[in-house]
Amino acid sequence: DVKVTQSSRYLVKRTGEKVFLECVQDMDHENMFWYRQDPGLGLRLIYFSYDVKMKEKGDIPEGYSVSREKKERFSLILESASTNQTSMYLCASSFRLGQGSWEQYFGPGTRLTVT
Amino acid sequence: EDKVVQSPLSLVVHEGDTVTLNCSYEVTNFRSLLWYKQEKKAPTFLFMLTSSGIEKKSGRLSSILDKKELFSILNITATQTGDSAIYLCAVGDNNNDMRFGAGTRLTVKP
Repeated sequence: DVKVTQSSRYLVKRTGEKVFLECVQDMDHENMFWYRQDPGLGLRLIYFSYDVKMKEKGDIPEGYSVSREKKERFSLILESASTNQTSMYLCASSFRLGQGSWEQYFGPGTRLTVT
Repeated sequence: EDKVVQSPLSLVVHEGDTVTLNCSYEVTNFRSLLWYKQEKKAPTFLFMLTSSGIEKKSGRLSSILDKKELFSILNITATQTGDSAIYLCAVGDNNNDMRFGAGTRLTVKP
């Protein structure tokens, strides 16, 4: 069974704090993704990584950075949290495109509230 | 435990066929059910359903929710090769938590 875990289900932070969201997958997937999900807006891609130390911006990277030092772990960093970053954050992983499978497996999500 | 189950997991059809994808759920404090189409990097939002019995349509795609029987279907008529994708169902609750199903992989052959 593929497992994608996220470090916290619920997180409350203050404006200006630095926030780390961790995601770990156990399927040796090359690709990892960070999304945010907001009511009425669906899933929006923040960043993705296709290999260790590799990253690419998604649709809404502003205000975020990422780190992928190990294949199984992909971290999302909010350098200075703001209230408009209150959202549900979803991590996903998949095999590299062309390896016969590009299904994304999602983690349970982290509900972040910035006050 | 809350869960979202999609069926079938995989489906192969020919262009012009009509397909029905299923999503059943057990979620406490249900708020909405969403359908996504996933082709490469990021899923594309299709529909959000909150009310039972009201069909939503977009071109050849339509979807309906049954809150009594706890399921939704996504219909695609006159399928095209460009419909080949994974279709994800997700259910949100009143805390805005989301639970995703495993997806249905649809392959449309010419």
